[in-house]
Amino acid sequence: NAGVTQTPKFQVLKTGQSMTLQCAQDMNHEYMSWYRQDPGMGLRLIHYSVGAGITDQGEVPNGYNVSRSTTEDFPLRLLSAAPSQTSVYFCASSRTDRHSGNTIYFGEGSWLTVV
Amino acid sequence: EDQVTQSPEALRLQEGESSSLNCSYTVSGLRGLFWYRQDPGKGPEFLFTLYSAGEEKEKERLKATLTKKESFLHITAPKPEDSATYLCAWGAAGNKLTFGGGTRVLVKP
Repeated sequence: NAGVTQTPKFQVLKTGQSMTLQCAQDMNHEYMSWYRQDPGMGLRLIHYSVGAGITDQGEVPNGYNVSRSTTEDFPLRLLSAAPSQTSVYFCASSRTDRHSGNTIYFGEGSWLTVV
Repeated sequence: EDQVTQSPEALRLQEGESSSLNCSYTVSGLRGLFWYRQDPGKGPEFLFTLYSAGEEKEKERLKATLTKKESFLHITAPKPEDSATYLCAWGAAGNKLTFGGGTRVLVKP
């Protein structure tokens, strides 16, 4: 998946711990976003950004925080992990949301288990 | 409420047996209907974006079409390596995607 790098790949957290999932892209894309994928629920949007310094909430933002200080990076912070946040997390990026060049790339995913 | 629904949930095909996957949507302000392929343990892999009713795009054995209410992904003469989950998603401004639940395709040799 072209140029979207997520770390870590796997993580186990205890309830109440905090952590940051990292996402970086090297394609100079304006748009970045975070999704979570749960069995039977499909992918759901957590937060998104349309450029450095600009972020907004998606469908399921509670318990997560984001910032976009650079074009390349879009970290997702879990403030106080809960078992309900056990999921697979995907970061995505794209250059534009207009017809020309509107290809959205996804990272390989981060598997998070909260015990 | 904006909604994307995929059918069937699962599809078992014999190698060479062509079939179609359906993605129906009730959304406002469509800015692209996206198709992705996802293999187990991997992220979604981009296949197509369609923008206008009547538009068609092809890639190897896959062909995506779009009407005003639904999109189809046609798999022609599938091979076992086409086994995957196929996802469709509606794109809104800011490239916010609303996904359907996916169709799991298994192609048996």
